[in-house]
Amino acid sequence: RKEVEQDPGPFNVPEGATVAFNCTYSNSASQSFFWYRQDCRKEPKLLMSVYSSGNEDGRFTAQLNRASQYISLLIRDSKLSDSATYLCVVKGNTPLVFGKGTRLSVIA
Amino acid sequence: NAGVTQTPKFRILKIGQSMTLQCTQDMNHNYMYWYRQDPGMGLKLIYYSVGAGITDKGEVPNGYNVSRSTTEDFPLRLELAAPSQTSVYFCASSYLQANEKLFFGSGTQLSVL
Repeated sequence: RKEVEQDPGPFNVPEGATVAFNCTYSNSASQSFFWYRQDCRKEPKLLMSVYSSGNEDGRFTAQLNRASQYISLLIRDSKLSDSATYLCVVKGNTPLVFGKGTRLSVIA
Repeated sequence: NAGVTQTPKFRILKIGQSMTLQCTQDMNHNYMYWYRQDPGMGLKLIYYSVGAGITDKGEVPNGYNVSRSTTEDFPLRLELAAPSQTSVYFCASSYLQANEKLFFGSGTQLSVL
């Protein structure tokens, strides 16, 4: 099982839709979890950290399920500007491990 | 603040050539990292450093070398370029490992032909 697995997509959704991505991780000792956003041919940028109790930042909600070893990202009211690749990132006892990313295209 | 600056942005190498990818940060971050990203793949850690004079191997260190003589600079050296090293290279830094907000440079697109 790979350390961090994501559905590569693409997810093609209309503007205003709600879309959710999941990510599974294999190391049960993982301590920290993040979602990064990467635009085409650009560097990744931190979107949000994922806390055990779940957390929200505007239209974005992240949740962690330690028992099942997955994290999720929910985007409500999708905007064209949300089109990007979303990287699931996990930290255990070593530096961060990045998933391959899930590509989202929001269509007008 | 410039943040993390990488040079060059693009480079084409012939097999067997050598080059150094430069990375500098002006945020006084202790931790610095080099990642490579192949098309459709996630970022893979090449080397990282927890401070000046200290470096450690990541997931894919073969074919690369690094040094960290100052807090600001973390160059990545390719000694004998191979086609398998064709990739996009990202340098990143973070202040405290627990914080883990990585600040990335804009990347170097390297092609080895």
